[in-house]
Amino acid sequence: QLQLQESGPGLVKPWETLSLTCTVSGGSINSNSHYWGWIRQPPGKELEWIGNIYYSGSTNYSPSLKSRVTISVDTSNNQFSLKLNSVTAADTAVYYCTRREFYRTPDIWGQGTLVTVS
Amino acid sequence: DIQMTQSPSSLSASVGDRVTITCRASQDISNYLGWFQQKPGKAPKSLIYGASSLQSGVPSKFSGSKSGTDFTLTISDLQPEDFATYYCQQYKSYPLTFGGGTKVEIK
Repeated sequence: QLQLQESGPGLVKPWETLSLTCTVSGGSINSNSHYWGWIRQPPGKELEWIGNIYYSGSTNYSPSLKSRVTISVDTSNNQFSLKLNSVTAADTAVYYCTRREFYRTPDIWGQGTLVTVS
Repeated sequence: DIQMTQSPSSLSASVGDRVTITCRASQDISNYLGWFQQKPGKAPKSLIYGASSLQSGVPSKFSGSKSGTDFTLTISDLQPEDFATYYCQQYKSYPLTFGGGTKVEIK
């Protein structure tokens, strides 16, 4: 069964770059029917969609984060990544990587990783 | 952006109750609406997509419906494991947006 696992630093300094990687296991990222994405959740708050990528490299981003976000895919390692520049305390959140089939909601989520900006 | 207004923000219910949660979209999203369940410290779990289609493995006690731009999640025969926070999400257009969540608590 396909699984997702986030990895990366749990603590980032203000104005630096947050970098996370999601490793896909039990299946291939080279799917022509799925998007791979990132969603975050500040402590005690609601979910916020960050963006997603297709295996070909085509991306969509949240307009509120677009100027600071880059999502990329590494098909050779079955991974995709998130970079968020110039972080502030407002970017402190649990970050989830997800898989979403076309015309459906995200059906597979990573366990989430807490990133604190301080 | 499409705004998703979810209500109520919280509710108290007893084991065995039937509860209803509503999400209203700020514009037409057809049936591109999903529901998630989230327990403390855990990732959300997808329950429903396409407004009323159950994800694989989700029990039939969960059901979804649509009326105009209003969407409803109904949970029948509430059990202790159903006490959680529930979110809706629209995926009709980017950016994908979530409702504010409904916390279902034990009365």
